[in-house]
Amino acid sequence: QVQLQESGPGLVKPSGTLSLTCTVSGDSISSSHYYWGWMRQPPGKALEWIGSIYHTGVKYQNPSLTSPVSISVDTSKNQFSLDLFSVTAADTAVYYCARGGRTHYDFQAFDYWGRGAQVTVSS
Amino acid sequence: DIQMTQSPSTLSASVGDRVTITCRASQSISRWLAWYQQKPGKAPKLLIYEASSLESGVPSRFSGSGSGTEFTLTISRLQPDDFATYYCQQYNTYSTFGQGTKVEIK
Repeated sequence: QVQLQESGPGLVKPSGTLSLTCTVSGDSISSSHYYWGWMRQPPGKALEWIGSIYHTGVKYQNPSLTSPVSISVDTSKNQFSLDLFSVTAADTAVYYCARGGRTHYDFQAFDYWGRGAQVTVSS
Repeated sequence: DIQMTQSPSTLSASVGDRVTITCRASQSISRWLAWYQQKPGKAPKLLIYEASSLESGVPSRFSGSGSGTEFTLTISRLQPDDFATYYCQQYNTYSTFGQGTKVEIK
């Protein structure tokens, strides 16, 4: 059974860096042919795709995001990570990691999701 | 950027009803569209991918159709477990989600 688990601080100060890690079990990031993605959902609002990464390090990120983003992968730990820089209150959201199990070239629908991590940006 | 517009935003229905939700893309996305169900406090669940392919384990009362810019999700006979919010997602170019459709009890 594929499982994903987000981890990281639940509170980040404005202008700081939001850092989350997703640990995957039941599948191998390095040997699967999937992208692995990050989404977020502000309170009461819709889902937003942040970006996705392949085990080789190839990645795509949402060009509409206002805050700088970095997504990375650590195949030795079967993890991938998200860093969101210079955050503001608008970055307060539940952050989800997911497996891109249904693919169209480098883009994907997500078949397995983590339970989500609430991150609040506040001083 | 490709924009996704769902309608309606809220839908009131009764158990046993046939329910249809529409999703429109701002430009053609061929058939690269997925539908998700989300319940409060839970992660989204993939229902349909590639416009009409049913994800494993999803009940057959869920179906999807469409191509190009217009797509529909149909629930043939609404069950109590189906009251939730539904999102479409295009994955033709990058990825964009619709704003969601809440299916509530009439």
